[in-house]
Amino acid sequence: GDSVTQTEGPVTVSESESLIINCTYSATSIAYPNLFWYVRYPGEGLQLLLKVITAGQKGSSRGFEATYNKETTSFHLQKASVQESDSAVYYCALGENSNNRIFFGDGTQLVVKP
Amino acid sequence: EAAVTQSPRSKVAVTGGKVTLSCHQTNNHDYMYWYRQDTGHGLRLIHYSYVADSTEKGDIPDGYKASRPSQENFSLILELASLSQTAVYFCASRTGGSQYFGPGTRLTVL
Repeated sequence: GDSVTQTEGPVTVSESESLIINCTYSATSIAYPNLFWYVRYPGEGLQLLLKVITAGQKGSSRGFEATYNKETTSFHLQKASVQESDSAVYYCALGENSNNRIFFGDGTQLVVKP
Repeated sequence: EAAVTQSPRSKVAVTGGKVTLSCHQTNNHDYMYWYRQDTGHGLRLIHYSYVADSTEKGDIPDGYKASRPSQENFSLILELASLSQTAVYFCASRTGGSQYFGPGTRLTVL
């Protein structure tokens, strides 16, 4: 089926360190997957962080980057230098424009220590 | 300013009671969704709607009803709340391939 697997949290890093949260997907019923990273800050709803709809392309937002790799079915989230304000739960997700469904991973809690 | 709002933000209900969660969007989007999230897990789709007065079942519809009286409003109804329905509930609206979420409602059933 269609599913997403991501790094199990919590992930704890120190401020100014680099970050990678792994995400792999399985898209059996979706012909042209769109890939997303959502973020949920404490007390808030999910916000779209970045979206990539074309394999081989990279999305970026707020210093975060993710590259859509069709060969390895991956969409890892990276940031070169994290800040304490990046502490949140990050969700990788899979969907399609013509499909009304989005499939979410379980979320990865990121804790950034000052 | 918030485009998707939910009420209440938290609720405590008794087993067997009726619970209604409300969602309102100002995005002018056709699609709206209800998800639940259990601690440590991702979002699972309960019901969705693509037009007023019509709802569709998602992956886990049992024990839930949905109502879409207008494009802006989408409610989730638990006729007989159970302990297993304790969770955080998120509403979302959609345009193109992207969904936009409300802040969530934390429901505790005792």
